[in-house]
Amino acid sequence: RKEVEQDPGPFNVPEGATVAFNCTYSNSASQSFFWYRQDCRKEPKLLMSVYSSGNEDGRFTAQLNRASQYISLLIRDSKLSDSATYLCVVNKAGGTSYGKLTFGQGTILTVHP
Amino acid sequence: GAVVSQHPSRVICKSGTSVKIECRSLDFQATTMFWYRQFPKKSLMLMATSNEGSKATYEQGVEKDKFLINHASLTLSTLTVTSAHPEDSSFYICSGEGPGAIQETQYFGPGTRLLVL
Repeated sequence: RKEVEQDPGPFNVPEGATVAFNCTYSNSASQSFFWYRQDCRKEPKLLMSVYSSGNEDGRFTAQLNRASQYISLLIRDSKLSDSATYLCVVNKAGGTSYGKLTFGQGTILTVHP
Repeated sequence: GAVVSQHPSRVICKSGTSVKIECRSLDFQATTMFWYRQFPKKSLMLMATSNEGSKATYEQGVEKDKFLINHASLTLSTLTVTSAHPEDSSFYICSGEGPGAIQETQYFGPGTRLLVL
């Protein structure tokens, strides 16, 4: 079983649509959770951290369910510029560094006019 | 946000040669740097973690003698792919974290695309 699993998509949605991505992780001791976006042939960029209480940043809402080991990202009112690959990222448990990140394979989103 | 640069951005080399990739933190001290590799349509895979002044810790399945990592200063880490072969062709990305950057946040370099012929 992969440590972090995502539906690879692709998701093709019209502008203005609402789209949701799901992610599950296998290590129950994982500490931190993130969504990154990666544009084609570019490095990943942090979109938002994910907290147990849920958090929102503009059109983006992230949710975490530790009991189910499940993370979600909701994008409302999709824009053309939202087209990218969305990466679910989990902090690897263990060690002294917060930075041992494990990446999901990514979910491809294409927003069309 | 904090800035990490990588050089070169792209390299093409012949099989058997060695390639060095530099990763620099420009406005913070990267006490820890990470090296990732990403094959087409795959996720980023952590190769190794390096702390300034000490030996890198390699992930399972990554050959430490093939992928030499040096982190001699708080702003520079290098990855040398020794005796590169076509199967080493990939997108190599570094990231850094440390004082001056937001805690628990990694800052990624723009990546180096390696093609071994």
